[in-house]
Amino acid sequence: DVVMTQSPLSLPVTLGQPASISCRSSQSLVYSDGNTYLNWFQQRPGQSPRRLIYKVFNRASGVPDRFSGSGSGTDFTLKISRVEAEDVGVYYCMQGTHWPLTFGGGTKVE
Amino acid sequence: EVQLVESGGGLVQPGGSLRLSCAASGFTFSNQWLTWVRQAPGKGLEWVANIKQDGSEKYYVDSVKGRFTISRDNAKNSLYLQMNSLRVEDTSVYYCVLGRIGLDYWGQGTLVTVSS
Repeated sequence: DVVMTQSPLSLPVTLGQPASISCRSSQSLVYSDGNTYLNWFQQRPGQSPRRLIYKVFNRASGVPDRFSGSGSGTDFTLKISRVEAEDVGVYYCMQGTHWPLTFGGGTKVE
Repeated sequence: EVQLVESGGGLVQPGGSLRLSCAASGFTFSNQWLTWVRQAPGKGLEWVANIKQDGSEKYYVDSVKGRFTISRDNAKNSLYLQMNSLRVEDTSVYYCVLGRIGLDYWGQGTLVTVSS
């Protein structure tokens, strides 16, 4: 299985300041169709996960533009340009290129 | 508005069975892959199974193969997960999710506790 490694595990943030989360995969996530199936999810305390980013850099509907995704191959990043209070929670990366789908262990933004 | 509402969770003894259901609305159910994802208490996310639009293809994580069965009823806009031979390590919140890879929308989850 493809192992997804996130860092850091915990990310103390300051409101209004930027934040960045790294996600590395044990294999390239470029699929044979040329797409890279790397998603980011946000899970606020007590809530279900919510998709933020799909295929590396595409923001899901309703996601504020302070969230952005980047990266390629095996190295990916989620950035929050200016952290707001509602951004507190756990963030997960997930790969959908290889079966089975696998998630990173999560980064707690607090 | 997409809605996914899971039900059927509860407390069950090791070796027991449960059937989870997911009632869907707000999208064309028969056109979409559907997925179950679980989350053990205080832990991360684990993909469990998914099913093609017409039910002709089903995939499972190795740890549940032979014990869990995913199914759907397109006439009822419902997704199911039959869980047999449950183990303590199956204790999790089980989420019904729209999509195969994108995992676009998630339900609120239903808690399954396997304990004696």
